Amino acid sequence: QLQLQESGPGLVKPSETLSLTCTVSGGSISSSSYYWGWIRQPPGKGLEWIGSIYYSGSTYYNPSLKSRVTISVDTSKNQFSLKLSSVTAADTAVYYCARGSNIDPWGQGTLVTVSS
Amino acid sequence: QLVLTQSPSASASLGASVKLTCTLSSGHSSYAIAWHQQQPEKGPRYLMKLNSDGSHSKGDGIPDRFSGSSSGAERYLTISSLQSEDEADYYCQTWGTGIPWVFGGGTKLTVL
Repeated sequence: QLQLQESGPGLVKPSETLSLTCTVSGGSISSSSYYWGWIRQPPGKGLEWIGSIYYSGSTYYNPSLKSRVTISVDTSKNQFSLKLSSVTAADTAVYYCARGSNIDPWGQGTLVTVSS
Repeated sequence: QLVLTQSPSASASLGASVKLTCTLSSGHSSYAIAWHQQQPEKGPRYLMKLNSDGSHSKGDGIPDRFSGSSSGAERYLTISSLQSEDEADYYCQTWGTGIPWVFGGGTKLTVL
């Protein structure tokens, strides 16, 4: 059974770069033609797509975040990563990693707070 | 532009049925969607993929009480025999060329 687990700092200072990693277990990140990506949910709000990477390496980003986002894959570690630069308090959210076109499965999520 | 529209809230009584709606934007009525459930203080859980012809495939362990149907640009999630644990936010989600993931705004379901 495929499982995804987010990891990274829970607190980031304003203007710094948020970095998260998603570790995939129960399957290979490079063995199938899936999207892998990141979604966030600010407190009390809905889901927002951040960006995705296809198994071939093509990347797709939410236009509203594109200038600040980088998603990459490390197949040797079966992981993919998110970097979001120049963060502000508005980037405080639970961050989820996920797989698929129809998303399945989701990671459990990790809260990232932007504060000095 | 690919957009999904959901009503912000819905309510139904314990043991009754409820039908939630997700509407695809103009020109996208052939798109499949997925339904996800987010219980309070938990992460989202995949419920099902729903095609434009109403056929659907559910995720592992999803009860038979959850079903999907389609009509034109509308995609529906029906929950029968409502239980207290069905009180949750329900999100529809789709995907398109160059746009891996698009979300609706979510519907908050209250079980009375």
